[in-house]
Formats: sequence, C-alpha cells, structure tokens
Amino acid sequence: GESVGLHLPTLSVQEGDNSIINCAYSNSASDYFIWYKQESGKGPQFIIDIRSNMDKRQGQRVTVLLNKTVKHLSLQIAATQPGDSAVYFCAENRGAAGNKLTFGGGTRVLVKP
Amino acid sequence: ETGVTQTPRHLVMGMTNKKSLKCEQHLGHNAMYWYKQSAKKPLELMFVYNFKEQTENNSVPSRFSPECPNSSHLFLHLHTLQPEDSALYLCASSQELAGGPSTDTQYFGPGTRLTVL
Repeated sequence: GESVGLHLPTLSVQEGDNSIINCAYSNSASDYFIWYKQESGKGPQFIIDIRSNMDKRQGQRVTVLLNKTVKHLSLQIAATQPGDSAVYFCAENRGAAGNKLTFGGGTRVLVKP
Repeated sequence: ETGVTQTPRHLVMGMTNKKSLKCEQHLGHNAMYWYKQSAKKPLELMFVYNFKEQTENNSVPSRFSPECPNSSHLFLHLHTLQPEDSALYLCASSQELAGGPSTDTQYFGPGTRLTVL
C-alpha cells in the first residue's frame, strides 16, 4: 500500500517577493542554529548560521533572525527566485551535547513565476 | 558540490543481501556523520565519528554497522534490512575542536537512495 509521508508545511511565494520561513525550537540550551536548503535529489545545503549571542545575521539575499525569548528562528529570503524552490530545514546544536544537530521537519517553498 | 561524495547514489537490495554505502569527504574535516531521511520522519542522526572514534550511536539497530577507517572515509554496512529501512541515507562532515562541544557547520553529501524489497 502507499506509505504516508511526512506532511511539510508549504509556502507559496510569487517570484520577486520576499519569503519568510519560521522555525520553533524547544531547548533553551541550544547555542547554534543553521538553515539548510534541500533541493530534490540532493543533500541539504548550508545556507546561513547564527550563534546564540546574536539576534540577526545577514548573508547574500538571506537573513536569519533569532528570538531566544520565544525560542523562534526565521529565515528571510529577499527577492525570491525560482531557484529558491526547495525544502528548508532549521537545525539546532544543543550546546553541551556536542556536535549533534537536531533538525526540524522542514518547510517546502514553491516559487510561482 | 559540497566536497562530500557518496556512492552508490541509488541502491536496491533484498532483505537477505549485504551491501555497503560509502562516503568520502575532501574537506579535511575530522568528524563524519550518518543520517537517515525518510518520508515519514525528519532527518535523523544515526552515527557520529569524531577523530575516527564513534562518539554517538543514536539507538540504531545492529543491522546497520558503521566503519570509519580514516578521517576521510565513512562506510555504512547493511545486512538483513527491512522494507521500513528504505530511505535516503546522508553522510555529512564537519571540523570539530578537540576536547569539547563545537558548533561547526556540517556539510552534506548527495545521499544514497536505498530501497529494500
């Protein structure tokens, strides 16, 4: 029979608009956060990271915001392009747990031309 | 390309077969990882090797057996798998500091798509 897949929230965005992808984390001891992008048939690709002593970090067309008070992380993509269509994952490194990343379920971004 | 390669890219095997997945990183990193990505669950960490020593086995069944002969190569030996083990198996590497928690970025390979019949 057909297997039931993981339901991914989907963000549909018009080409040229800005995208905002959100992620909630639960462990207040987490001190490092990463956003990954995964295109179909490929492994996750690093986009941007942020450490817990910062609340904002900017890259090329991307900005990550960290709100430790409410344990919330967001990724903003400016002027979204068709090549931005992918699944986006946030990951947290839980401090004393060492180099172990815990991943969120992912958000699918679909860019409409 | 991320500097992490995986072979084969696709593998179909029966439940009685024995096969191995291979990962090689060309980044000079000292830590390597195996992850499982299935349609039903988020990305799951399976094994961690730091400086060629296994430091994490995330309650993985013994039908999965990792091997790390050197800091550049990582294998995942598979035997008597079950259909529910069908998934994308991802390898990653990072540069870790000795003696303590580190927060370096992990770089992923393209994965091996495994189907168990």
